[in-house]
Amino acid sequence: AQSVAQPEDQVNVAEGNPLTVKCTYSVSGNPYLFWYVQYPNRGLQFLLKYITGDNLVKGSYGFEAEFNKSQTSFHLKKPSALVSDSALYFCAVLNTGFQKLVFGTGTRLLVSP
Amino acid sequence: DAGVTQSPTHLIKTRGQHVTLRCSPISGHKSVSWYQQVLGQGPQFIFQYYEKEERGRGNFPDRFSARQFPNYSSELNVNALLLGDSALYLCASSLLETQYFGPGTRLLVL
Repeated sequence: AQSVAQPEDQVNVAEGNPLTVKCTYSVSGNPYLFWYVQYPNRGLQFLLKYITGDNLVKGSYGFEAEFNKSQTSFHLKKPSALVSDSALYFCAVLNTGFQKLVFGTGTRLLVSP
Repeated sequence: DAGVTQSPTHLIKTRGQHVTLRCSPISGHKSVSWYQQVLGQGPQFIFQYYEKEERGRGNFPDRFSARQFPNYSSELNVNALLLGDSALYLCASSLLETQYFGPGTRLLVL
């Protein structure tokens, strides 16, 4: 079964500092990996995805993610955090059998001024 | 372009009642998926529909059902509501592999 794990419930970072939100995956075959962000009382917003190609994927709002096949990781990164980046971040893998997303448990990012 | 829309935004029901949630996909998207997000957890897959046919079903009881209409909009129905059905219900539409989510319907069962 395909799954993702987000080992950190919360990540704290000061505004202007780089941030990393961790995700590891377990899949059979080639993974289709995604990052979504959720603001309070809102739906999920798509940030970026890895399907194939370059291991460094660039997405919305200055976020990027690095796909590492040997470490089965897909960590989300941003060079300089903003207070407005504070939200709940979900890593997900696509079960290509019938297109369902399997989500991690989420990581709350708190960026302090 | 309009994104995925869902209605209603909030809903309060009592145990034993039934509820219908509605979703309109992004124009041109033929696939709609439904997810349940319980407070403090990641979304859980309920159903996927493509071209009006069910393509996948998650581990949910038969009280949960859905359908997709010719215009690709979709309804999620839940019968005999339980307290544990209280959650944010998310609809997502997709053209290829990326799913785009609506704002969700927050259901509270009392």
